[in-house]
Amino acid sequence: GESVGLHLPTLSVQEGDNSIINCAYSNSASDYFIWYKQESGKGPQFIIDIRSNMDKRQGQRVTVLLNKTVKHLSLQIAATQPGDSAVYFCAEKNNAGNMLTFGGGTRLMVKP
Amino acid sequence: EPEVTQTPSHQVTQMGQEVILRCVPISNHLYFYWYRQILGQKVEFLVSFYNNEISEKSEIFDDQFSVERPDGSNFTLKIRSTKLEDSAMYFCASTRNRDGTEAFFGQGTRLTVV
Repeated sequence: GESVGLHLPTLSVQEGDNSIINCAYSNSASDYFIWYKQESGKGPQFIIDIRSNMDKRQGQRVTVLLNKTVKHLSLQIAATQPGDSAVYFCAEKNNAGNMLTFGGGTRLMVKP
Repeated sequence: EPEVTQTPSHQVTQMGQEVILRCVPISNHLYFYWYRQILGQKVEFLVSFYNNEISEKSEIFDDQFSVERPDGSNFTLKIRSTKLEDSAMYFCASTRNRDGTEAFFGQGTRLTVV
């Protein structure tokens, strides 16, 4: 039978450029957000997280921005490298529990 | 670097058979989770587990599913009678924090039900 899956948005960037991956969330009760990187056939790999009492957090080559007013989250990757090619998922959690709700994902393709 | 490990990496089973998926969480973590990802779809929460009890479970986690921590290191997911629609990647995760933050995932077990 025909399989129905997500049509992943794709972001294609040149090696060395900066990448911005966006995520919209719907639950205003979410108070914690996390970005994962998933390479083909592998599990989600933790990149960076942010709590709702912050609007920006920086890691090594990555920055997460949170805009609670419009329920928007973004991941910025500086100086994108071929090894950054993967699917990137945002996930959210509310303070009522500890389960993560994942977004649909964005495929990042880095051109050498 | 500590990591969550899962075995087997790939399991093929006949419809109606029982399967057990195994996970070894990070050693100082106390909260354990199972998620699944049907091919091409989102990662979905199944169940969380703490202190030998289920903390939360989703609608997917029906009576066919069970979890267990049989010893001090393993965390298992059992599907009693597999269905074709159980075919998916199953990911184990663990956290040190009670609030579920900083969850680290294993590499997954690809379950194929034929």
